[in-house]
Amino acid sequence: NAGVMQNPRHLVRRRGQEARLRCSPMKGHSHVYWYRQLPEEGLKFMVYLQKENIIDESGMPKERFSAEFPKEGPSILRIQQVVRGDSAAYFCASSPYLGDTQYFGPGTRLTVL
Amino acid sequence: AQKVTQAQTEISVVEKEDVTLDCVYETRDTTYYLFWYKQPPSGELVFLIRRNSFDEQNEISGRYSWNFQKSTSSFNFTITASQVVDSAVYFCALSEESGANSKLTFGKGITLSVRP
Repeated sequence: NAGVMQNPRHLVRRRGQEARLRCSPMKGHSHVYWYRQLPEEGLKFMVYLQKENIIDESGMPKERFSAEFPKEGPSILRIQQVVRGDSAAYFCASSPYLGDTQYFGPGTRLTVL
Repeated sequence: AQKVTQAQTEISVVEKEDVTLDCVYETRDTTYYLFWYKQPPSGELVFLIRRNSFDEQNEISGRYSWNFQKSTSSFNFTITASQVVDSAVYFCALSEESGANSKLTFGKGITLSVRP
């Protein structure tokens, strides 16, 4: 059973470009969470999705950030018009049920030049 | 609101020493879950343990052991006979059962360095 997959592992963007981060949950897992790890701030929750639904996006910045988890395909975290402050590691986690253990992917390290 | 405090920021030990990583949590829920994750230098997050609020039994897994005390809201992690490969950042986390979201609230992490 393959683990949570994230790609790309490293992403470099210039200010103003768009960043698309992908996450494929573990087989059988329908709950997906995105977290961001900023230096000095630790890991912070961003958004929780189930298939085709955003359940809680209370941790997402109000502008430029969006997430989806379509019926087919991976979950996508999209950052429009990136700024230097978006540079961070973005982790995706999945679980089979609400409240169950969340297993994390290897993360995507975003660098904004 | 839920909160996790890992007061220790960096710990350095010599190989074979025992080391305890502290975790204190705050929650208003009666049902909640506590976790430890390890982040080695390679950067991924590795799940170590999940414990629910009704299970206060201590757990041992090889060189790792966990002490859960509801009376002091603590969930401490001990590594016995530490090894260089234990060097990593260790995160304690909490999720609450109430509501429609079991998001994790993390502590700031403890950087453990094990010297040969």
